[in-house]
Amino acid sequence: NAGVTQTPKFQVLKTGQSMTLQCAQDMNHEYMSWYRQDPGMGLRLIHYSVGAGITDQGEVPNGYNVSRSTTEDFPLRLLSAAPSQTSVYFCASSRTRALSSGNTIYFGEGSWLTVV
Amino acid sequence: GNSVTQMEGPVTLSEEAFLTINCTYTATGYPSLFWYVQYPGEGLQLLLKATKADDKGSNKGFEATYRKETTSFHLEKGSVQVSDSAVYFCALTGTASKLTFGTGTRLQVTL
Repeated sequence: NAGVTQTPKFQVLKTGQSMTLQCAQDMNHEYMSWYRQDPGMGLRLIHYSVGAGITDQGEVPNGYNVSRSTTEDFPLRLLSAAPSQTSVYFCASSRTRALSSGNTIYFGEGSWLTVV
Repeated sequence: GNSVTQMEGPVTLSEEAFLTINCTYTATGYPSLFWYVQYPGEGLQLLLKATKADDKGSNKGFEATYRKETTSFHLEKGSVQVSDSAVYFCALTGTASKLTFGTGTRLQVTL
């Protein structure tokens, strides 16, 4: 009963390094998304995808890249890490994109990223 | 655009006390409203939801009623437990693919 699986759970990067946060779901969900959580700011949407081959930007997309080559996987790439990207990252998925109908969103356990 | 405003935390209560966490929203149309809970070191879990005006969501003793006239979705529980200590997020969906969160309210319940 894996649900949404994120790796790694913790990572320290140096400024300018690149890395990929992995996200996989085993529920055959169409919709996947990445959020970052910062103190006093709640969760903010970075990128989302409504199906394989389709991605779109959220509120705070700069500095991040995504792709959706399969239904199961939705990796988040930091191209050149900056201290401002120190945050907790959450991947989430939902059966369909129709979140406004009350579709449940399932979250991964989070990835704590520190950029020094 | 859409926005969610939650009461500032942290909220500290004694066990068995009554809990209210206020949440108000701004949105066009008819959003669905949610409360998510985040326990220490974990991801967010859906606590309850309401998809139309006057709906009441409930789960694990928590309740919230979708009040369109006051644009509110306050979270309540009649008797909190130490195990309820967590961060609670109010959220809404307006557009099809975006969930807008409040800043979160930390609840600490003591014996």
